[in-house]
This record gives sequence, structure tokens and C-alpha cells, in this order.
Amino acid sequence: GEDVEQSLFLSVREGDSSVINCTYTDSSSTYLYWYKQEPGAGLQLLTYIFSNMDMKQDQRLTVLLNKKDKHLSLRIADTQTGDSAIYFCAERTAGYSTLTFGKGTMLLVSP
Amino acid sequence: KAGVTQTPRYLIKTRGQQVTLSCSPISGHRSVSWYQQTPGQGLQFLFEYFSETQRNKGNFPGRFSGRQFSNSRSEMNVSTLELGDSALYLCASSSGFIDEQYFGPGTRLTVT
Repeated sequence: GEDVEQSLFLSVREGDSSVINCTYTDSSSTYLYWYKQEPGAGLQLLTYIFSNMDMKQDQRLTVLLNKKDKHLSLRIADTQTGDSAIYFCAERTAGYSTLTFGKGTMLLVSP
Repeated sequence: KAGVTQTPRYLIKTRGQQVTLSCSPISGHRSVSWYQQTPGQGLQFLFEYFSETQRNKGNFPGRFSGRQFSNSRSEMNVSTLELGDSALYLCASSSGFIDEQYFGPGTRLTVT
């Protein structure tokens, strides 16, 4: 079955870069997403990448996809304290709208 | 454009009762999906509705049901509540099959 794995916790200092990693098992995944969840809030879509792409950049965010290893990463440049949140990786298989999520990575940014 | 709205935001119910949660998608979106979020299981897919038809269903018991109206608003119902149903219920809307899904703020359900 489908499975998405993430490390649970990452701590960085303000101004550093953060890299959050994710692995998935479904080889038919066609879309991979990154969502952000702040305490008491819903999920905010940050960015997504099609499986035929290697990289996508959007302002401070860079997504890298290694399809051979089924590895996805999210790099946040110049991390700010406001970036502290839980980050979820999710995958969607072609033809289906269902998202399969990882357990989330808690990012803590200290001043 | 207004985002996804969910009502109520917080709910406290007793075991054995039933509950109905509501979700209004982004204007023009026809697909609504529901997810349950708990600390132990994380985010799990419940079901998805598109143009008033259930298009996909997750692995949840029959106590969990839903529907979608002609204006794309959706409701989910949980009957005979159990303590383990305590969770954040999230609704997501999209315009169709391929597009990204936008989530609402969720309804926090506590079952006592």
C-alpha cells in the first residue's frame, strides 16, 4: 500500500536554511505536495510538484524530487520564526483525488 | 475569493450521540474531501464528493457518512459517537480531479 514517511522533528536557527525530507512508496504517484499547519489551524498548501519535474522554486521554497529514490525534500531559505509549524508531505496517485499524508515534521525555529 | 469554511469550529458531544459537520468549498469548486486528523493516526482520508456523488471512500466504519448538495456544500455525519472519534475533521475543496486541494480550518470534535 501507499506510505509516506517523514522525520518527526527539525530545529534550526533563524536565518538558516531548513530542509525537510519525505519518502514515498507509491511509484504511480503523480503529484507531491507540501502543506503547513500552524497550531489550531487547518492545512495551508505551500507548493506542489509534478512527478515529471526534478525541482520547483517558489520564493523562499525549493522542492527537490528524486523519483528514482522516491525522495522529496522541501528547502526553506532564510528560515524565520514564523515558519515554525508542522509540515506535511502528501502524495496523490493519478486518477484519484485522495491525498496520502506523512505524519508531519515539526519545524522549530529559534531566534 | 473566500476560502473553505467549516462549521462549527468546535464541538463537544457525548458517547452514543451523533454529529453533523458542515463544509462550504471555495466558490466554483465541485469536489469536497474530508479527512480526520488525530495525534496517533495522523491525517486519514474519509471520503470525497464530486457533483453530489461519492467518488472515493476511505477505510472508516459505516458510522461515518457524508453527502454533497447541489451548491457543492458538503456535510459529514458520525453516528453513535465513540471516544476515539475525537479528532480534528478537515474539509478540502478542489475544482476537479487534478487540481490542488485547499483546506478549511477544521472542526475540532471532542467526545466525552
